[in-house]
Formats: sequence, structure tokens, C-alpha cells
Amino acid sequence: GAVVSQHPSWVICKSGTSVKIECRSLDFQATTMFWYRQFPKQSLMLMATSNEGSKATYEQGVEKDKFLINHASLTLSTLTVTSAHPEDSSFYICSALTSGATDTQYFGPGTRLTVL
Amino acid sequence: GDSVTQMEGPVTLSEEAFLTINCTYTATGYPSLFWYVQYPGEGLQLLLKATKADDKGSNKGFEATYRKETTSFHLEKGSVQVSDSAVYFCALSDQPPGTDSWGKLQFGAGTQVVVTP
Repeated sequence: GAVVSQHPSWVICKSGTSVKIECRSLDFQATTMFWYRQFPKQSLMLMATSNEGSKATYEQGVEKDKFLINHASLTLSTLTVTSAHPEDSSFYICSALTSGATDTQYFGPGTRLTVL
Repeated sequence: GDSVTQMEGPVTLSEEAFLTINCTYTATGYPSLFWYVQYPGEGLQLLLKATKADDKGSNKGFEATYRKETTSFHLEKGSVQVSDSAVYFCALSDQPPGTDSWGKLQFGAGTQVVVTP
């Protein structure tokens, strides 16, 4: 099946720094990608919808200036956590939606962010 | 708003036992329903789905039936294996299939299943 990769798989950073997470669809093109956040032992929470060539659509309560999303190509979306703080520590997961008859969503393995 | 409620885990059972994971939902309209599985160290994978009432999704021996009257989508497997140990997520999309917004999923909290030999 289709593969979605994320890089890095884990990152540790100091408070106040910015961290960029990449999400790539390796063998298909995705006009739409999604970014989720998962807290320990909790569900995935949708943060934003990333559309290639246009601005991301953020869910209510998600700060768009803090979580910058760029979908510059049909195979790459990036999430930048700006001025990270310990409360931003979480597991970030992206997914990519195929288009056409299958309409299947493929998930990346996730990125563990720890802010010290 | 939409929500998905699934039974808490962990669920521990022996190999070849019968597995049921309950999932109920609240949504306006006619959502599509999904079960995703997350194996250790891997990303979520679609296990099965159903897009309208009374549809039955099935895959790898797992089944779930879309019950609109009880707003449920319980996951079942008749004989589990150790390799079925994973976290299972019930999810819904209230957007029409075939639209990009269909990918916006509301997830349940996940149920960890542990199968022992």
C-alpha cells in the first residue's frame, strides 16, 4: 500500500526554539494532508487540514501562528512548531489523502516532540 | 459536535479468543465510520470502513456493522492471534465520501488489545 513518512521520528528541543516536522507521501500525490496531535493514552486530535498550494485550515482552538503548516508540493507538507514550550510536547501525526475512487487516508508513523 | 466513544482498554485475552471492541458515535447526518489499527512503532492503518447504514466492513477476519439505530460500529473478530496485539481506533467522518474533507476524522480514544499465547 501507499507509504507516508515523517521526519524526524523524534526530536528534543529547548524551550523557545522552533521545530520543523516533515510529512511526505512516498509513492502517491496528495493534494490534502492532515496534521493530528496525540496525547499519551488519548485520542488523535485533528489540528489542521493542509491543502497543496493554499493556506491550511485550522481547527478551532489551534493557534495558526504557533503551528505553521506549509504544503509546498503534492508530496510534502511541513509543520513548524514555533517558540516551542513544554506544553507542546506531544506526538504529532500526519496523514495524506489519496484522491479518486479509493479515497483512502494513509498515516505517517508520527513524530515524538519533547520540549525541555 | 461529533464524537466517538469506545471502550477503554487494555483488553487482554488469550489466543483464539473472541474479541469485541465497542464503539458508539454521535453525529449529525450520515457519517462514514472507520476502524484503524496501530501496531507498535507504526502508523495508523485502515482496518475497515462502512459508509452507510447496515454496511458491514470486513478485513483480516475483523468485522464491524454500521448500526444507525444504535449509533454503533462494534469491532469483532472470532479468533484473535498474538499478532493482533495493537491499539484500535474507531473514527468517523461526517463529510461526504469523495471530498477532501472526508479525510477529517474524529477519533475515539483508542483501545489497546493484548493477546497472550
